[in-house]
Amino acid sequence: NAGVMQNPRHLVRRRGQEARLRCSPMKGHSHVYWYRQLPEEGLKFMVYLQKENIIDESGMPKERFSAEFPKEGPSILRIQQVVRGDSAAYFCASSTGLDSYEQYFGPGTRLTVT
Amino acid sequence: AQSVAQPEDQVNVAEGNPLTVKCTYSVSGNPYLFWYVQYPNRGLQFLLKYITGDNLVKGSYGFEAEFNKSQTSFHLKKPSALVSDSALYFCAVRDNYGQNFVFGPGTRLSVLP
Repeated sequence: NAGVMQNPRHLVRRRGQEARLRCSPMKGHSHVYWYRQLPEEGLKFMVYLQKENIIDESGMPKERFSAEFPKEGPSILRIQQVVRGDSAAYFCASSTGLDSYEQYFGPGTRLTVT
Repeated sequence: AQSVAQPEDQVNVAEGNPLTVKCTYSVSGNPYLFWYVQYPNRGLQFLLKYITGDNLVKGSYGFEAEFNKSQTSFHLKKPSALVSDSALYFCAVRDNYGQNFVFGPGTRLSVLP
């Protein structure tokens, strides 16, 4: 049973480019969370999605950031017009849903904006 | 709103000694509490959780944690630390109304040989 998959593991973008981060949840999991971890800091919640539905995006910056979790395929976190401050590790976690008490984390995508 | 505090940025212990990593929380309703560990350049790994029942919960790698409702704490403990336990430890809380997990800022544990 494969765990949570994230790709790419490392992503380098120049300022102004777009970054697309992908997350494939564990088999049987229909809920996905995205977190951002800045260097030497803890995890900050960004968005919580269910298939085809955004449940909570209270942690998402108002501009340039968006997320989706389509019926088929991975969840995508998209950052448009990246800036240096977007450089961070982005982690995805998945769970089975409402009665799930655990999240399972992917290995993360390390985004570097040059 | 939920919140988690980990009052120590760094904890240093000698190998073989007991370790404690502190966590306090604030949540409306009943708390669901978690500990995760993060090794360098890796994702978070689940260690243990408290949902209900016995206040002392046992988890992976010999770790345990004690839920104390009156002190709103959930400290992580291990009787005998190993050098390989050196990592970043995160406490997290979820209330029984919502779905969001709130993580503490993390505590870096260094176990010295």
